Parts: sequence; structure tokens; C-alpha cells
Amino acid sequence: GDSVTQMEGPVTLSEEAFLTINCTYTATGYPSLFWYVQYPGEGLQLLLKATKADDKGSNKGFEATYRKETTSFHLEKGSVQVSDSAVYFCALSGRVPLSGGSQGNLIFGKGTKLSVKP
Amino acid sequence: NAGVTQTPKFQVLKTGQSMTLQCAQDMNHEYMSWYRQDPGMGLRLIHYSVGAGITDQGEVPNGYNVSRSTTEDFPLRLLSAAPSQTSVYFCASSQTGTGKNIQYFGAGTRLSVL
Repeated sequence: GDSVTQMEGPVTLSEEAFLTINCTYTATGYPSLFWYVQYPGEGLQLLLKATKADDKGSNKGFEATYRKETTSFHLEKGSVQVSDSAVYFCALSGRVPLSGGSQGNLIFGKGTKLSVKP
Repeated sequence: NAGVTQTPKFQVLKTGQSMTLQCAQDMNHEYMSWYRQDPGMGLRLIHYSVGAGITDQGEVPNGYNVSRSTTEDFPLRLLSAAPSQTSVYFCASSQTGTGKNIQYFGAGTRLSVL
């Protein structure tokens, strides 16, 4: 079945360092890919998404490119801040069906905890 | 702009007790789902619904029941709580159809079963 694998954490960086969190997936068809972020004590928030090959999602300085040839969706940021400390989840889903079916369900990686030190 | 609202935020149960976790959304989303989050496991899907009157099982449905009588509400029921159900529970909702699969999450319910 479909699955998502992301790099194990925790990841500890100094402020202004470059961030990469690796994510690879296994899926049939053409899934959409997502990065969600969870700040301490909160629910998940969508960070960025890409719906087809070669799409680049971006938000708040974070970027990820949908690479079908390598089945990857790595998250990058050029200069992290203390406020970026959170848990990051890579996820995939198909189209949410109009009636029945599980294609729209999100499949998550296990999450990567990022800590940024001043 | 309430979005997805979950209640309660925290709950402690004794083994064998029952309870209902509430989830409501005000975005007129057809699709709703429940996940549990455990350390080192990511989020796992418990049950989901693609509209009122339609529910289906996810990856880890045992010990949980759901119903969907209205578009807005999707409660999760634990009929006889077990310590293995200690977890953080998240409800999510989204639209249906092509290109509309962004899921919006509630703030979570932290449940401890003693």
C-alpha cells in the first residue's frame, strides 16, 4: 500500500542554518503531497502542498518540489528561525472522492522534530 | 472563523469507561476524519466519512465507533476504554473532489486511560 518515509529526528540547528528534511513516498497513481507543521500543544497546519510532478510548493520560506522520478518531496528552508521549532510531517493523499472510497485519506510519515537554537 | 472544533481538550478515563470525543466544523466540508497520534508513529487514521450517513474504517478502527448524522458533526465514541487508547486524537475535514483535498485539523484531544 501507499506509504511515506521521512528522516528520523530530532534535528537540532542553529538559527540561520539551512534545513533539509527528506521525504520519500510509495504510491499508486498520482497522489498529492503535503507538508504539515505541528507547533507545541497545537494541531496540524498545512505548510505547503504540490499536486503534480515538478510542482513546487512554498510558504513562509519553506519549499518542496514534487519529484516523481525519485518519488521524493524534500522540505527545505534557507535560513531557519527559532520560531520554526516544531514537528514536521510529510503526507500524501489521493483525490477525495465524491462518494465512498479511501483515496482522499492522508497517509503520514512519522514526523521530524526540529529544534532551532538561538 | 472557527474551523474545526474539538472537545474536550483533555480527558482522563478509567479502563472500561465510555466517552465521546466531539468534532464540529463550520466550513460545510463533506469529508471528515479522525486520527490518533502516538510517539514515533505519526498520525494513523481511525475512521472517516465522505458525507452525512456514510462512514468507513481507517487503519486502526478497533475499539472506536463513529456516526455522521449531519455534515457539521463527526463524534468518535470509545465504548470501553483501554490503556492502549491513551493518545492524542485529531479530527480533520476537507472538501471533496479534484484539487480540494487540503485537510484542516482541530487542536486535538489528549486522552489518558488509566
